Amino acid sequence: GENVEQHPSTLSVQEGDSAVIKCTYSDSASNYFPWYKQELGKRPQLIIDIRSNVGEKKDQRIAVTLNKTAKHFSLHITETQPEDSAVYFCAAGGAYRQGGSEKLVFGKGTKLTVNP
Amino acid sequence: EAQVTQNPRYLITVTGKKLTVTCSQNMNHEYMSWYRQDPGLGLRQIYYSMNVEVTDKGDVPEGYKVSRKEKRNFPLILESPSPNQTSLYFCASSLGTSGFDEQFFGPGTRLTVL
Repeated sequence: GENVEQHPSTLSVQEGDSAVIKCTYSDSASNYFPWYKQELGKRPQLIIDIRSNVGEKKDQRIAVTLNKTAKHFSLHITETQPEDSAVYFCAAGGAYRQGGSEKLVFGKGTKLTVNP
Repeated sequence: EAQVTQNPRYLITVTGKKLTVTCSQNMNHEYMSWYRQDPGLGLRQIYYSMNVEVTDKGDVPEGYKVSRKEKRNFPLILESPSPNQTSLYFCASSLGTSGFDEQFFGPGTRLTVL
């Protein structure tokens, strides 16, 4: 089955700096890679996702890159702001196999702190 | 308002006392799922459902049951709760049958089993 590793587990940056969170996955057939943000005491919410037919996707200050050969994908946040402080989760899935079950597997999360 | 709701939001119970956590969505979503969140372990899938009457195990199904008799509801049942099931539980739903598009999460249920 799929296994997702996420690094670092904690990340502290100064306001205005960039933050990068990296994930690796094990199943080469996975083709869907979302990122969720969870603010303290709240539910996870999707911030960006990418499918395997593209290598990069941007949405304002957030971007995700995907390297299918190396089986890793990364979240990039530029010009960080205090409101970016949260736990970020990556996930991988979409590997359809006959007789198999398709699951979205999450990484363990990265706690990002943006210091004013 | 389009949303996923869970009840109860907080529950303290004792070992062995059967309980049900309800989950309902009003977005006509096909896919529903239950996750548990524990410190340092991230989100782990318990069970999921791709359609009415279709359910399958996630990564940590032991000690849990689910049912999907109606499209909008996906209750999580703990027949005999144990302390290791103390956790924060999230229900989620998504439009397609696969779960491989945006999942909308409920507000969470914090369960403590004494």
